[in-house]
Amino acid sequence: QKEVEQNSGPLSVPEGAIASLNCTYSDRVSQSFFWYRQYSGKSPELIMSIYSNGDKEDGRFTAQLNKASQYVSLLIRDSQPSDSATYLCAVSPMTNAGKSTFGDGTTLTVKP
Amino acid sequence: DAGITQSPRYKITETGRQVTLMCHQTWSHSYMFWYRQDLGHGLRLIYYSAAADITDKGEVPDGYVVSRSKTENFPLTLESATRSQTSVYFCASSDGGTGFTQYFGPGTRLTVL
Repeated sequence: QKEVEQNSGPLSVPEGAIASLNCTYSDRVSQSFFWYRQYSGKSPELIMSIYSNGDKEDGRFTAQLNKASQYVSLLIRDSQPSDSATYLCAVSPMTNAGKSTFGDGTTLTVKP
Repeated sequence: DAGITQSPRYKITETGRQVTLMCHQTWSHSYMFWYRQDLGHGLRLIYYSAAADITDKGEVPDGYVVSRSKTENFPLTLESATRSQTSVYFCASSDGGTGFTQYFGPGTRLTVL
């Protein structure tokens, strides 16, 4: 089992819809959780981080964390074509927090 | 505001040659990282550094060497390049705050023939 797994995708949604991206992790002592967006041919950029159970909202983006279920998700409301990218989930352990593990990513396409 | 830069951006080399990829950051971040990203996959950690002269192995360190004599530089050397090391290499840095948010360089696309 991979340490961090994301829905395999690709995911396609119409413009204006809600896109839901999911990530599960195996290390129960994980402490920090990140969502990075990566446009084709570009480097990853942070869009959300979350550290405690519950929801965290930032504009059209909502991250949800459930440590008991070892699950973190990213919701994108009112999806725009500019949201089309690969979304990477990253998890950092409680010990050695610099050593993040990344999932393979989910590619999202938002169709106009 | 240069941030984090990588050089070269593209490199073609031959099997068996030594190659060094450079990474430079202007933020004085303590932590620096090297990842490789293969087509259709996420990022895999090669090496990371918590400070100058402190480095540690990541998930896939074999065939790579790093050094960090200065806080701002973190070069990655492929001692004897192999075709399996053809990949896109990303350098990242972090100040260790906000849960270790990482800031990525633009990447180096390396092809080993």
